[in-house]
Amino acid sequence: DIQMTQSPSSLSASVGDRVTITCQASQDISNYLNWYQQKPGKAPKLLIYDASNLETGVPSRFSGSGSGTDFTFTISSLQPEDIATYYCQQYDNPLFTFGPGTKVDIK
Amino acid sequence: EVQLVESGGGLVQPGGSLRLSCSASGFTFSSYAMHWVRQAPGKGLEYVSAISSNGGSTYYADSVKGRFTISRDNSKNTLYLQMSSLRAEDTAVYYCVKGLGDWGQGTLVTVSS
Repeated sequence: DIQMTQSPSSLSASVGDRVTITCQASQDISNYLNWYQQKPGKAPKLLIYDASNLETGVPSRFSGSGSGTDFTFTISSLQPEDIATYYCQQYDNPLFTFGPGTKVDIK
Repeated sequence: EVQLVESGGGLVQPGGSLRLSCSASGFTFSSYAMHWVRQAPGKGLEYVSAISSNGGSTYYADSVKGRFTISRDNSKNTLYLQMSSLRAEDTAVYYCVKGLGDWGQGTLVTVSS
C-alpha cells in the first residue's frame, strides 16, 4: 500500500500569515492527490484535486502543488474560518490512503 | 444536489455484526464508484473500502479485509457495508463517499461490551 506522510502535525499561525503543509507519498503517485479540510464534528470537505486544481467554490487563498512523491498545500493568508485539520489523500491505486493530518489554529 | 445518508450505526458487542447503509440521491448512482471512510474518535481519516460502479470490483484496507464486505444495489441507489467480527478498534464514524468529493454526514459505530 502507498503510505502518506504530512508535516507538520500541527501549527499555529497569525491571521494573514502564509501557511504551508507538505505531504509525501511512499511512491510515485503522479498528481493523484487531494487535499481536504475538516472542521470538528463535520465531514471532510474537498479543497484541491489532482494536486493543484481548486474545487468549485473554494476560496483562491487555498492552493496546491507538486507531483510524483512531494506535494505542498498553501493558505496564502490565513483566516479565522480556516481553523481545521487538513488531510492529503492519494488516489493512484484503489486503496486510497490519507495522510495523518495537520491541525491548524490561530496564534 | 448530491445527498448521501448513512444509517445502521449503533452499539455492538465485540465479535458482533452490523450492516451500514448509504442512501444516495441527486446523481446517477450506478455511474460512480463508491467508498467507505472511517474516523475513530479524535483520530484521523482511514480509508476502509471501495466498490466499482457496477459492483464488479471491490477493495479493502488490510485492517478490515476478511471481516467487512462492501456491496451496492444500483436499483435502490444504496451502498452497504456489512461488518462482522467487530473489534473495539472498529469504533468510528463511518462515512459514505461518492467520487471522494461528496461525503455523507456519517454514522457512529461503537464496539463495546
